[in-house]
Amino acid sequence: LAKTTQPISMDSYEGQEVNITCSHNNIATNDYITWYQQFPSQGPRFIIQGYKTKVTNEVASLFIPADRKSSTLSLPRVSLSDTAVYYCLVGDKNTDKLIFGTGTRLQVFP
Amino acid sequence: DAGITQSPRYKITETGRQVTLMCHQTWSHSYMFWYRQDLGHGLRLIYYSAAADITDKGEVSDGYVVSRSKTENFPLTLESATRSQTSVYFCASGTSGRAFEQFFGPGTRLTVL
Repeated sequence: LAKTTQPISMDSYEGQEVNITCSHNNIATNDYITWYQQFPSQGPRFIIQGYKTKVTNEVASLFIPADRKSSTLSLPRVSLSDTAVYYCLVGDKNTDKLIFGTGTRLQVFP
Repeated sequence: DAGITQSPRYKITETGRQVTLMCHQTWSHSYMFWYRQDLGHGLRLIYYSAAADITDKGEVSDGYVVSRSKTENFPLTLESATRSQTSVYFCASGTSGRAFEQFFGPGTRLTVL
């Protein structure tokens, strides 16, 4: 299966904007891109989903370029409670199976 | 209460034993999923189901069996547990089989000795 890759970790300070990118070169044509947040010892929690261009909700924005081979989750003004692991989820073009990204551990400092 | 529950939350078993992990959701979602998450790694899809009696393999299905006789339940069985199946198992449900919003359970931590 093609890998869906993310930076392993990122550090930020409270109040800053954080952008986390996911590379998914083999994304299925008809699939969305979904992002999740996971705290230790919990299941992942849905953040945002999109198909193309830009999507914004009350907690994040999702930027998707025209070729859809990557996506960027943007968290505005992070707080300590945003410290977590973030995953993207896409469908693989060749296998038509759902693939989670490798995950990005975000650490927010005061 | 509405939501998605998993049982047991913790399980220790021995190599070669059969183990069944339970998953129950109250939203009447058509789709249900099983993932495993190994220490320090991401989530990998084991099996998913589009409806009762309709299931399909994910990325890492070898050694696992699923069934779905009722929409709300999606048990995962390890027919003969191996140490490599030591992991945290997450069940999820949703309205689509695509990369759409999914709702995850709290997970089952399984240790195979």
